Amino acid sequence: QITLKESGPTLVKPTQTLTLTCTFSGFSLSTSGVGVGWIRQPPGKALEWLALIYWNDDKRYSPSLKSRLTITKDTSKNQVVLTMTNMDPVDTATYYCAHRHLAVAGTVYDYWGQGTLVTVSS
Amino acid sequence: DIQMTQSPSSLSASVGDRVTITCRASQSISSYLNWYQQKPGKAPKLLIYAASSLQSGVPSRFSGSGSGTDFTLTISSLQPEDFATYYCQQSYSTKITFGQGTRLEIK
Repeated sequence: QITLKESGPTLVKPTQTLTLTCTFSGFSLSTSGVGVGWIRQPPGKALEWLALIYWNDDKRYSPSLKSRLTITKDTSKNQVVLTMTNMDPVDTATYYCAHRHLAVAGTVYDYWGQGTLVTVSS
Repeated sequence: DIQMTQSPSSLSASVGDRVTITCRASQSISSYLNWYQQKPGKAPKLLIYAASSLQSGVPSRFSGSGSGTDFTLTISSLQPEDFATYYCQQSYSTKITFGQGTRLEIK
């Protein structure tokens, strides 16, 4: 059974760096084709894709946020970490990590974490 | 970026109704179109992938169609648990994008 869970601070100050950890089970990020992504959702708004890391350490970033994002993996710990620099109140959102569907071409997310709400405020 | 536009933004319907939600891409995305359902306070749930393939465990009253730029999600007979927000997502580009969502409400 695949599960994912996000963890990190619930409150960050403007200009600070956010570090979120996705801890997963039921699959390995050393298996060919596997990927884990991050998606966020401001309160009452739509979903926004942020980043994706593949089993081979290939990485993809949202063009609009690329300069602020870094995604890494720790295969031994079954974790994926997302860092976002220079946080702003507009970055207030629920942040989700998700597993890339292996049986489908392209990036489709079939398992999601429960999400973690991050508020940016001084 | 590939822009995804859903219509309508909100929709009121009754239990038992047949409902259709539309998603349009700003360029051709072949069949790289997926649909998710999201209930308040919950993570999105994958319903349909590759435009028309039903994700395992999803009821058969959900169906998807389309290719190129125009796609539809159809719920054949609304059930009480179907009232939620629905998002389309293109997976043609590695930089995926979502539609703005369609909120399905009880009439």
